[in-house]
Amino acid sequence: SYELTQPLSVSVALGQTARITCGGNNIESKNVHWYQQKPGQAPVLVIYRDINRPSGIPERFSGSNSGNTATLTITRAQAGDEADYYCQVWDSSTVVFGGGTKLTVL
Amino acid sequence: QVQLQQWGAGLLKPSETLSLTCAVYGGSFSDYYWSWIRQPPGKGLEWTGEINDSGTTNYNPSLKSRVTISVDTSKNQFSLKLSSVTAADTAVYYCARTLRVRGVGRWFDPWGQGILVTVSS
Repeated sequence: SYELTQPLSVSVALGQTARITCGGNNIESKNVHWYQQKPGQAPVLVIYRDINRPSGIPERFSGSNSGNTATLTITRAQAGDEADYYCQVWDSSTVVFGGGTKLTVL
Repeated sequence: QVQLQQWGAGLLKPSETLSLTCAVYGGSFSDYYWSWIRQPPGKGLEWTGEINDSGTTNYNPSLKSRVTISVDTSKNQFSLKLSSVTAADTAVYYCARTLRVRGVGRWFDPWGQGILVTVSS
């Protein structure tokens, strides 16, 4: 089965750029979606189909996908960006989620 | 603005059947698929399955033998049943609208508020 690998944690200084990676075999051939989940809340879609932002998601959030790695980039990180982030793809007729990355804003 | 509201029993004993319902308010019900996704405490997300207004379903192969998802289009609601539950099924269960593009895959937006279902004797 297809696996997505995310770092357990990423730290970023306030106002700096955070990059959260999602690794998978030839992941560039798939569409990657990203979710933000704050403690006690439901996940929120922040990026879909690699690079697209849903309405209401700040331009500070962007995505890319190349080779074996997809990346969620958060520029000018804010305290409110502290959350768990999950990547997700569709493979072999099922949904696959990454294990999640905890973003800490210092 | 689509909103999803879910409800159901929060405490079950092993071997019982989990039953949850999700109501969809606003937006189109018939134009989308609708999914259930669960999250064990402190762990990651797992897709359970999906359904459309015609009753067409797709299930996670790992849960397929125990899962039934149904739809009531008259109420814009869909439901999850998971049979023979064990402690491993303890999780927050979310309903979500599924966006699909043929050949591209699926993604989920928005999500319901989630319900913690605990399986304990």
